[in-house]
Amino acid sequence: GENVEQHPSTLSVQEGDSAVIKCTYSDSASNYFPWYKQELGKRPQLIIDIRSNVGEKKDQRIAVTLNKTAKHFSLHITETQPEDSAVYFCAAYTGFQKLVFGTGTRLLVSP
Amino acid sequence: DVKVTQSSRYLVKRTGEKVFLECVQDMDHENMFWYRQDPGLGLRLIYFSYDVKMKEKGDIPEGYSVSREKKERFSLILESASTNQTSMYLCASSFQGADTGELFFGEGSRLTVL
Repeated sequence: GENVEQHPSTLSVQEGDSAVIKCTYSDSASNYFPWYKQELGKRPQLIIDIRSNVGEKKDQRIAVTLNKTAKHFSLHITETQPEDSAVYFCAAYTGFQKLVFGTGTRLLVSP
Repeated sequence: DVKVTQSSRYLVKRTGEKVFLECVQDMDHENMFWYRQDPGLGLRLIYFSYDVKMKEKGDIPEGYSVSREKKERFSLILESASTNQTSMYLCASSFQGADTGELFFGEGSRLTVL
């Protein structure tokens, strides 16, 4: 089955710096890759997603890139702010309603 | 605004007890999911349902069962709770398939089994 690896598990940056979180997947048939953000004590929420026919997608300070050949995708956050501090999960859609999530990255943005 | 409500935020149960976790969504979503969240392991799918009375096993169904008698309600059942089922349980729903629709999560139910 699909396996999604996510790195790093913890990431600390200074406010204003950029942050990059990387995920790799194993199933070349996966075609949809969402990213969820979970603030402390709150529910995960979708922040951006990308489909396999697109190489990059941006939404203000966040962007996601996809390399289908290498089977990896990344989340980029620019000009980080303290409110970006959260756990971020990547996921890959493997078919038949199933999303496989990565293990999560705890991002800490220090003022 | 989509709302997914889980009946209990915190539960403490004893080993061997039967546990019911209830989830209700108010947006007429076809799909509903139960995930388990553990530190370092991410979100793992236990069961999902794409229609009333339909259910499919996820990646870690052992020790769990589910029930979906009504479209808006999806229940997770632990027939005989064990300490290794101590975890955060997240319910989610989506309008379309997981590849085309956003997952809307509940706030989670933290279960402790003593």
